[in-house]
Amino acid sequence: AQSVSQHNHHVILSEAASLELGCNYSYGGTVNLFWYVQYPGQHLQLLLKYFSGDPLVKGIKGFEAEFIKSKFSFNLRKPSVQWSDTAEYFCAVGGTGGFKTIFGAGTRLFVKA
Amino acid sequence: DAGVIQSPRHEVTEMGQEVTLRCKPISGHDYLFWYRQTMMRGLELLIYFNNNVPIDDSGMPEDRFSAKMPNASFSTLKIQPSEPRDSAVYFCASSLKRDQPQHFGDGTRLSIL
Repeated sequence: AQSVSQHNHHVILSEAASLELGCNYSYGGTVNLFWYVQYPGQHLQLLLKYFSGDPLVKGIKGFEAEFIKSKFSFNLRKPSVQWSDTAEYFCAVGGTGGFKTIFGAGTRLFVKA
Repeated sequence: DAGVIQSPRHEVTEMGQEVTLRCKPISGHDYLFWYRQTMMRGLELLIYFNNNVPIDDSGMPEDRFSAKMPNASFSTLKIQPSEPRDSAVYFCASSLKRDQPQHFGDGTRLSIL
């Protein structure tokens, strides 16, 4: 069965620190990959997406993610986090073959000012 | 450009009562999803529709839960009778296609006393 795994449930960083959140999936076919962000008390919003092409994807607010097909990974990165990045981050995988999009369990990021 | 609209934003009711949550997807989106989010279980997909037809309801926890989509612009999630363990934030989302980014509503925060 398809699955999505996010390695860290909670991450605490100081402002200006670099961020990398891990995401691995299991699916043998072609995938569409997403990162969503949920700020406290708000709904999920799309941060970035990968469908095809350049495996390094740039999203909003300085975030980027790299698709490594051989590792079935789609890690999220930001070189310098801000207090306003405090949120929960969800990785999601959708199979172009048609399976429903699956969300990871989420990673709660807290950035200390 | 209106996003996904959910109502009510908050609902507090006593156990045993019927609860109806409402969702208006983005016009033109073929897919509609209902999710439940709790601290303990994270984000769970309850059911999704394609062109108003329920496709996968395997996430619906019990027979007390039911969902309908009478037309392309409206869906309901009903809980009858409600129980305290149903307390959660319920999100509705819509997308153009199954593997396209999902657009989430603001959610309904449900509290069953």
